[in-house]
Amino acid sequence: DAGVIQSPRHEVTEMGQEVTLRCKPISGHNSLFWYRQTMMRGLELLIYFNNNVPIDDSGMPEDRFSAKMPNASFSTLKIQPSEPRDSAVYFCASSATGFQPQHFGDGTRLSIL
Amino acid sequence: SQQGEEDPQALSIQEGENATMNCSYKTSINNLQWYRQNSGRGLVHLILIRSNEREKHSGRLRVTLDTSKKSSSLLITASRAADTASYFCATGRDNAGNMLTFGGGTRLMVKP
Repeated sequence: DAGVIQSPRHEVTEMGQEVTLRCKPISGHNSLFWYRQTMMRGLELLIYFNNNVPIDDSGMPEDRFSAKMPNASFSTLKIQPSEPRDSAVYFCASSATGFQPQHFGDGTRLSIL
Repeated sequence: SQQGEEDPQALSIQEGENATMNCSYKTSINNLQWYRQNSGRGLVHLILIRSNEREKHSGRLRVTLDTSKKSSSLLITASRAADTASYFCATGRDNAGNMLTFGGGTRLMVKP
């Protein structure tokens, strides 16, 4: 079975540019999560979707961050405009609902210069 | 702030030895999960223990949960070099058990 697929794996861009990260969850999973991992702050939950609807976005750091899930098989996390402090590894994860393990993609390593 | 805090932050052992990692948390939980992360990869789920369970086994892994002390431990027996990774505990903070808060992790190195 295919796992969670994220793209791109690496992204290097200049400050001020728009960045779009993409995620394809595991088929049949109805919960999707975006996380950010940094050395300083560890792994932080940014936003959580259930059945394509955003349930909790309290972890989204600023209005520069937005996430969408137009259908059950695709989600995006967008940063506009990007800043150097957004540099991190961004993970997408999916799961079935309720006390179920989360399955993580291999992440997008984002560097903002 | 992080809900779970792992102890120790780093652990180095010889192959064949047992590795014990501890996790403490602050608020009531409905489940606690352990994940492994290899360098440059995503997290991989290892084991989930519910708040009404005290111990759970999976292969060489043994997890305990003490809700009175708000702590959990992960024991890896007969460690292998391939167990080298970071290990994270995560607590579910919503009623559905979906929203996880991760600790800072324990970096385990198993020397051949």
